[in-house]
Amino acid sequence: EAQVTQNPRYLITVTGKKLTVTCSQNMNHEYMSWYRQDPGLGLRQIYYSMNVEVTDKGDVPEGYKVSRKEKRNFPLILESPSPNQTSLYFCASSLFGTGAGEQYFGPGTRLTVT
Amino acid sequence: ILNVEQSPQSLHVQEGDSTNFTCSFPSSNFYALHWYRWETAKSPEALFVMTLNGDEKKKGRISATLNTKEGYSYLYIKGSQPEDSATYLCAFCAHSGGGADGLTFGKGTHLIIQP
Repeated sequence: EAQVTQNPRYLITVTGKKLTVTCSQNMNHEYMSWYRQDPGLGLRQIYYSMNVEVTDKGDVPEGYKVSRKEKRNFPLILESPSPNQTSLYFCASSLFGTGAGEQYFGPGTRLTVT
Repeated sequence: ILNVEQSPQSLHVQEGDSTNFTCSFPSSNFYALHWYRWETAKSPEALFVMTLNGDEKKKGRISATLNTKEGYSYLYIKGSQPEDSATYLCAFCAHSGGGADGLTFGKGTHLIIQP
């Protein structure tokens, strides 16, 4: 089944404890992206990647890191999480290496930082 | 940060009625405009991706139009059904250098269909 998977789905952590949210897609898509969703603010793009070893900042990259060493994986790293990073996170992928391809979203990761 | 506005924020519609809502985006550096449907407790699902001025797309009872010169897109739902209840998101992609930029989403229109 073609899909985007994220792990973990739920995470409660403490301020400053490094964490990684994994994202993997099995559709051979070039473009992958991370978003956060906050009430009243909508979906905001954190980072995106047009292809392996190519990443770019989205609208809200501060406090996050990403890497794209393989086409299928695009992990989101929070080196020192803070409470303002409590949010619902979505990973997405699309076939084309541009913003013109429809995005396939993962199931979401709900992160709470205390 | 680009300004992508959706209106109205929420909408209550009687079952069987038709409805439409708007997405406004910058009229310069246009690359693509996306529409997504987002049901509660699920992930957003793509409806349309439009790239050309004057584009019209249709999927069942849902259709969309695009005006890149004036910076707006309309989403239409004909004969609304309870299963159409969802938040509808649009996302704008701008030209950047030799290709496209990231996606900027609007805050969505929350549609509730009343039986």
